[in-house]
Amino acid sequence: DQQVKQNSPSLSVQEGRISILNCDYTNSMFDYFLWYKKYPAEGPTFLISISSIKDKNEDGRFTVFLNKSAKHLSLHIVPSQPGDSAVYFCAASSSGAGSYQLTFGKGTKLSVIP
Amino acid sequence: EAQVTQNPRYLITVTGKKLTVTCSQNMNHEYMSWYRQDPGLGLRQIYYSMNVEVTDKGDVPEGYKVSRKEKRNFPLILESPSPNQTSLYFCASSPSDRVERQYFGPGTRLTVL
Repeated sequence: DQQVKQNSPSLSVQEGRISILNCDYTNSMFDYFLWYKKYPAEGPTFLISISSIKDKNEDGRFTVFLNKSAKHLSLHIVPSQPGDSAVYFCAASSSGAGSYQLTFGKGTKLSVIP
Repeated sequence: EAQVTQNPRYLITVTGKKLTVTCSQNMNHEYMSWYRQDPGLGLRQIYYSMNVEVTDKGDVPEGYKVSRKEKRNFPLILESPSPNQTSLYFCASSPSDRVERQYFGPGTRLTVL
């Protein structure tokens, strides 16, 4: 059972426009959500996170929105740049006792076209 | 430079030949973890360790072993590799109070023939 779902395997966006990457989750125990970015031949790197007590977190060009009732989060990149072309993984964790795991989605490959 | 290192980066082996992929971090992190990445499946956790001598299974532990004798090292052992273990493997580490924000190594691409 896939607990974190990224239903779009790929996304193409024109440089300067907004990129919106979506993620859905099924486990209501998840209370912390993250986005990781991965370039080819490198390990994933942390990009931005959000706690379930918030509905928005912003860091420069990157904003993550959380809709708890819909169990949905999204990553907005504005404006998109060619260097943003990478695979983006959504991940979730639970702060419950004994929980020390990150559950990842399958990833969305973003291509920003110059 | 703070980093997670993995060796080897690439490995081609044959079914049944025991192998070890090493992982080392220089950030004094308590938490370390192994993941595999497969096309269409994303990142799946194999094993993790909260500290020295403390390890636990992730989502896909079958066919793998780990040990944590020192804080900085967390080797992944495949005692009898099979072709379905052909994958891209990542080691990661984090402080124990920030397990959700992990630092990943560069990856090891393993092919089992």
